Amino acid sequence: GENVEQHPSTLSVQEGDSAVIKCTYSDSASNYFPWYKQELGKGPQLIIDIRSNVGEKKDQRIAVTLNKTAKHFSLHITETQPEDSAVYFCAASPPGTYKYIFGTGTRLKVLA
Amino acid sequence: NAGVTQTPKFQVLKTGQSMTLQCAQDMNHNSMYWYRQDPGMGLRLIYYSASEGTTDKGEVPNGYNVSRLNKREFSLRLESAAPSQTSVYFCASKGQGATGNQPQHFGDGTRLSIL
Repeated sequence: GENVEQHPSTLSVQEGDSAVIKCTYSDSASNYFPWYKQELGKGPQLIIDIRSNVGEKKDQRIAVTLNKTAKHFSLHITETQPEDSAVYFCAASPPGTYKYIFGTGTRLKVLA
Repeated sequence: NAGVTQTPKFQVLKTGQSMTLQCAQDMNHNSMYWYRQDPGMGLRLIYYSASEGTTDKGEVPNGYNVSRLNKREFSLRLESAAPSQTSVYFCASKGQGATGNQPQHFGDGTRLSIL
């Protein structure tokens, strides 16, 4: 069935360094890829998304890249800050469906 | 705008008790979803409602029922709670956009413990 693999499951970086989280999807028809940040005790919040007609998208310190041939996409956070510490989820959505397939999450710790 | 509102925030039940989790959104979204989140397993879809008047099973529907009461409200019912249903439950909603798929917006969850 449809699947999204997310790596790593945990990631620790020093404040100011970059962090990269990678996801691989199985359904080649997927055309929408959101990334969510979940802080403790809260629901997931959308931080950036990308559609399949675009290879890269940036929003300040956050960027997402998409490689449709390899069926993988990545989240890049530059100049990390302690407030970036959270769990991050990727997801993939095929066209014509109402569903997302979520990755299992990455716990990011930014060490001051 | 409040976005997606879930009630209650916390609940403890005994095995066999029933309960309804409430969800409401004020963004005029067509689609609504119920997920459960367990450690190490990400978000798993229980049920969803593509539009008012329709509901469909997700990945883990057993032991749950849903009602799409109107466009704003989508409730999740546990008829006979079991310890395996101890989890954090999230409701989400999604609109339809001309540019293709749209993001889901999540509530802050209901933390449910079944003893």
